[in-house]
Amino acid sequence: NAGVTQTPKFRILKIGQSMTLQCTQDMNHNYMYWYRQDPGMGLKLIYYSVGAGITDKGEVPNGYNVSRSTTEDFPLRLELAAPSQTSVYFCASSHGRLSSGNTIYFGEGSWLTVV
Amino acid sequence: AQTVTQSQPEMSVQEAETVTLSCTYDTSENNYYLFWYKQPPSRQMILVIRQEAYKQQNATENRFSVNFQKAAKSFSLKISDSQLGDTAMYFCAFMSGNTGGFKTIFGAGTRLFVKA
Repeated sequence: NAGVTQTPKFRILKIGQSMTLQCTQDMNHNYMYWYRQDPGMGLKLIYYSVGAGITDKGEVPNGYNVSRSTTEDFPLRLELAAPSQTSVYFCASSHGRLSSGNTIYFGEGSWLTVV
Repeated sequence: AQTVTQSQPEMSVQEAETVTLSCTYDTSENNYYLFWYKQPPSRQMILVIRQEAYKQQNATENRFSVNFQKAAKSFSLKISDSQLGDTAMYFCAFMSGNTGGFKTIFGAGTRLFVKA
């Protein structure tokens, strides 16, 4: 019963490096999301996707890119990492239909530090 | 645009007592969902309770219940018989029911300490 799986769990990046946070879900959910949570703060939406091939910006998309080539996978790409991107990143998914109750399921989070 | 406000940054409660966490939201929509999530020190997000806006009856899950006041746009969480394991950050969240998108908006959170 995997649910939403994110990798890596921890990563330290140097300023200017790039990396991809992987996210996969096995619940056949249409909707997937990337959030970031800064220390002591709530979650901010970075990007979301309503289905394969469709992505859209959230509240804080600058410095990130996403793709959704399959229903299962929704990787988040950080280009030219900056200290301001030090955060905990959460991937999440939901069925997206009112009849399904729309519970959002979260991964366990990825701790990213940019030094 | 929708907003979610949690006006209590921190709260504490004695073990076995009851505590209520406040949440207000702003939306012009009629169909939506409201959630309370718990985030323990492990940082994992755990769904506590969910409320559909079209349901008048308040949701209940064991020791957790909500007071949903749709006209006042208020969605408070009551925790009865508080336990040490309830110590965590609690987030109120709003999910739009419109077909234009299902983005979930989170409040800033309330840190709850349960004291022995």
